[in-house]
Amino acid sequence: DTGVSQDPRHKITKRGQNVTFRCDPISEHNRLYWYRQTLGQGPEFLTYFQNEAQLEKSRLLSDRFSAERPKGSFSTLEIQRTEQGDSAMYLCASSPGQGNNQPQHFGDGTRLSIL
Amino acid sequence: GEDVEQSLFLSVREGDSSVINCTYTDSSSTYLYWYKQEPGAGLQLLTYIFSNMDMKQDQRLTVLLNKKDKHLSLRIADTQTGDSAIYFCAEKGGSYIPTFGRGTSLIVHP
Repeated sequence: DTGVSQDPRHKITKRGQNVTFRCDPISEHNRLYWYRQTLGQGPEFLTYFQNEAQLEKSRLLSDRFSAERPKGSFSTLEIQRTEQGDSAMYLCASSPGQGNNQPQHFGDGTRLSIL
Repeated sequence: GEDVEQSLFLSVREGDSSVINCTYTDSSSTYLYWYKQEPGAGLQLLTYIFSNMDMKQDQRLTVLLNKKDKHLSLRIADTQTGDSAIYFCAEKGGSYIPTFGRGTSLIVHP
């Protein structure tokens, strides 16, 4: 089953460190999304790619956050100078590129804990 | 902005039906989704419905949509302990980005 794959599953780091997460979408999916989820909340949108182009960014995506999808396949999400408030589950999702009616398929997420 | 509301908890007995409700505010919503999330995992798509439909049935799952009242429900027949999870309602209008509710935690007890 080649679903959405995220790596690592868990990341524990000290405040102030940089972290990078990777997402491999379903291979034929052109669209890729990053979300953040905190306890008791639904996923909150961070950013969205169509192929390699980053088309939309949420106000939640501060200057410390950057996402790339250089070849239109896998994507990385980097957080610089991590803060306590960055502790969350970071979810990646992908969907096919045709039309607006295709649902998103999620990976199992990367859980980030800031000490 | 758009808002999606769900009750936070639902407790049912094994074998009973579960009904999880959701209300949304975006009148331009065209697609509505139900996702399931188990502990430590991502969201699993259960089913979705287009706004021009009133009902969709898929095995034990029945989705009802009342577009006038902006109300969506998910009925799970013959609920099993394996159905215990958090269920998220999401709606999508003209953009590619859905808005999610806070999730309903379904607890199934023997």
